[in-house]
Amino acid sequence: GAVVSQHPSWVICKSGTSVKIECRSLDFQATTMFWYRQFPKQSLMLMATSNEGSKATYEQGVEKDKFLINHASLTLSTLTVTSAHPEDSSFYICSAHGQGSEQYFGPGTRLTVT
Amino acid sequence: QKEVEQDPGPLSVPEGAIVSLNCTYSNSAFQYFMWYRQYSRKGPELLMYTYSSGNKEDGRFTAQVDKSSKYISLFIRDSQPSDSATYLCACGGNTPLVFGKGTRLSVIA
Repeated sequence: GAVVSQHPSWVICKSGTSVKIECRSLDFQATTMFWYRQFPKQSLMLMATSNEGSKATYEQGVEKDKFLINHASLTLSTLTVTSAHPEDSSFYICSAHGQGSEQYFGPGTRLTVT
Repeated sequence: QKEVEQDPGPLSVPEGAIVSLNCTYSNSAFQYFMWYRQYSRKGPELLMYTYSSGNKEDGRFTAQVDKSSKYISLFIRDSQPSDSATYLCACGGNTPLVFGKGTRLSVIA
């Protein structure tokens, strides 16, 4: 299957700082990528759909000014958590559409805000 | 009613058992169905992808879709301790995938 990478795999930051997470499709081009967050023992919660060259579409309840998404190329989407707070601590996972309708996930980024 | 319902378990089986994991969905517009396996602190891994009703087999895994009853299943034969993980079903159409809550499976040696 297609490979999606994320960087960093884990990050600890202080409250009030911003953190950028990168999502890359390594062996295919992805016009659409998705960002999810997952709390322990919970399912995936879709945050936003990232479209190459256009603005992201955010799900209801997700603050677009807090979670900045940029999809500048067909292989890279970034999620920036601005002014992070402890309640933003979570597991953030990106995914990308393959050639068909299947979706491939990155390994996830564990964010801890102290 | 949630669009995709999945029993969260946990489900515990002995090694070698046949495991049956199931989901139901309510949206008739869903056209394709996937099963993902997620190990703790890892991203979900695509296991099976099906587009129509019927069975699809890959090694020890069989995915089954019954669109008439809106019911999807994943069977694992000869289960191994390494199969211990959370299994998520997902349904898609013209909108982003909708995931079930996931079923935690433990295969005991």
